[in-house]
Amino acid sequence: EAQVTQNPRYLITVTGKKLTVTCSQNMNHEYMSWYRQDPGLGLRQIYYSMNVEVTDKGDVPEGYKVSRKEKRNFPLILESPSPNQTSLYFCASSPIGPLPYEQYFGPGTRLTVT
Amino acid sequence: AQSVTQLDSQVPVFEEAPVELRCNYSSSVSVYLFWYVQYPNQGLQLLLKYLSGSTLVKGINGFEAEFNKSQTSFHLRKPSVHISDTAEYFCAVSDPPAGNNRKLIWGLGTSLAVNP
Repeated sequence: EAQVTQNPRYLITVTGKKLTVTCSQNMNHEYMSWYRQDPGLGLRQIYYSMNVEVTDKGDVPEGYKVSRKEKRNFPLILESPSPNQTSLYFCASSPIGPLPYEQYFGPGTRLTVT
Repeated sequence: AQSVTQLDSQVPVFEEAPVELRCNYSSSVSVYLFWYVQYPNQGLQLLLKYLSGSTLVKGINGFEAEFNKSQTSFHLRKPSVHISDTAEYFCAVSDPPAGNNRKLIWGLGTSLAVNP
């Protein structure tokens, strides 16, 4: 089954404790992206990647890191989480072409930083 | 910069009634438009998209949307809703790629509540 998986689905952590949210897709997509979803602010892009070893900042990259060492994986790293990073996080992937393709979303990771 | 406005944050409706969820975008030379649905505790999935061609686009689950360039709108409709349509609906627009990013610009969402 074609899918984007994220782990963990729920995470409660404390300020300053490094964490990684994993994202993996099995569709051989070149493009991957991380979003955060907050009430009243909608979805905002954190980072994106066009292919292996090619990543770039989205609209709200502060406090986050990413890497793309393999095509299927795109982990999101919070080196020193803070309470303002409490949010619902989505990973998405899509093929690349001359027209925009559908983005496939993971099920989300609900992060709480205390 | 491109922006998307979903005109209703909440839409309550009775089962089997018709529904319209409204979406307007800021004008651009050409845009690509999407509607995604988010069921409770799930990720987003594509309902339908407009890239070019016919302005009336049909999607999954009986939904359709009409692209209106002069009014810069892309309203979503369904003639008869079911309880299972209760979800959050997001309108999104993608400019023709500038550089490498296929970023979507998202509306804030419309919460559709279908009541028996």
